[in-house]
Amino acid sequence: DAGVTQSPTHLIKTRGQQVTLRCSPISGHKSVSWYQQVLGQGPQFIFQYYEKEERGRGNFPDRFSARQFPNYSSELNVNALLLGDSALYLCASSLDNYGYTFGSGTRLTVV
Amino acid sequence: QQPVQSPQAVILREGEDAVINCSSSKALYSVHWYRQKHGEAPVFLMILLKGGEQKGHEKISASFNEKKQQSSLYLTASQLSYSGTYFCGTAGSSNTGKLIFGQGTTLQVKP
Repeated sequence: DAGVTQSPTHLIKTRGQQVTLRCSPISGHKSVSWYQQVLGQGPQFIFQYYEKEERGRGNFPDRFSARQFPNYSSELNVNALLLGDSALYLCASSLDNYGYTFGSGTRLTVV
Repeated sequence: QQPVQSPQAVILREGEDAVINCSSSKALYSVHWYRQKHGEAPVFLMILLKGGEQKGHEKISASFNEKKQQSSLYLTASQLSYSGTYFCGTAGSSNTGKLIFGQGTTLQVKP
């Protein structure tokens, strides 16, 4: 069984640009969560989607948005990128909120 | 409110034991434990639920004191493969996929 897959693995963007990160959950998992992890810190919750509906939102500005598709894959969009958005973006999927499987992440560098 | 983990770092010899603690100031529904190796995704180790239910790897043990909002992860007879950063993630509700992660505990196991 394939795990959680994220694309791209690495990305370099310029300040002010927009970026879209993609996530495919484990087959059968309907819940997808997004986290931002800055070097040396724990992951910080951004969004959770379940059955295409937003179930939770973390303390991030409106520049961050996400959506989930009928096949349960998800996209995270970040507009007007700032240097401080440079981080590892992790996607996690779950069958029942009783344990999450993380993808390997997208390393975003904003220059 | 971010849970507080202690200690921040541990160095062990193979075969030694370690305990990692996680403390929250808020009432908890569940505590999740993950291990992350450098450059890799966090890997699920265990979930402890209010009421005593636990799910996780057989070789990992942990406790959850609901009244004190504290959890401890017990690593016994440590192996080199146990090295990494351990995170606890807390959830205040069963209906949310929002985990609030601690700052992490770095464990290094030496031969």
